Amino acid sequence: QSALTQPASVSGSPGQSITISCTGTSSDVGGYNYVSWYQQHPGKAPKLMIYEVSNRPSGVSNRFSGSKSGNTASLTISGLQAEDEADYYCQSYDRSLTGWVFGRGTKLTVL
Amino acid sequence: EVQLVQSGAEVKKPGESLKISCKGSGYRFTSYWIGWVRQMPGKDLEWLGIIYSGDSETRYSPSFQGQVTMSVDKSINTVYLQWHSLQASHTAIYYCARLMAPGAYFSGWYDYWGQGTLVTVST
Repeated sequence: QSALTQPASVSGSPGQSITISCTGTSSDVGGYNYVSWYQQHPGKAPKLMIYEVSNRPSGVSNRFSGSKSGNTASLTISGLQAEDEADYYCQSYDRSLTGWVFGRGTKLTVL
Repeated sequence: EVQLVQSGAEVKKPGESLKISCKGSGYRFTSYWIGWVRQMPGKDLEWLGIIYSGDSETRYSPSFQGQVTMSVDKSINTVYLQWHSLQASHTAIYYCARLMAPGAYFSGWYDYWGQGTLVTVST
């Protein structure tokens, strides 16, 4: 399975906004609005942050938002906080897998 | 409260078999798919497959088909991931996660995750 393409790392200062991109193909990201984003702190299980491209689960801060254009989905975190420092993974349904593919993960550093 | 509780860490030798578990509680267990995700040391997440807790229907990633077997015991709200012959390359953390899918399964997302089971395969 070919992983979705994410930047290896991004960084920002507290209070700033950052955006993490997730690029796939028309077989996955571009073909469906079934993109999710997960946050993973070291030694912890992933946590759902965004589903169906732009929906936030109950309890997730509205500082987290998602969008999609063509074959690229994006996660934006506004008002960066120290607790946002973590790895972030996108995920999309992939019709060639009849399953899901993850991105390669982006390490967010809050300076 | 929805919870997925996985079995503890395992240390095995190459060639041995292993079955790890994931017990669901706080929701109607038989109405949901459960997925399995692998994370090798320092690496990314990889999707292994899903199993429907109601009727044991399974869908495997082509990359893992034949390497692992998923099963369910509805009587104790538990799903399993099994290997018949472990290899060193199977060393990883394995997560189970509940698939929330209001429509077709492929439209869903993983809303609750287990704590992970570390599997170490070494001589």
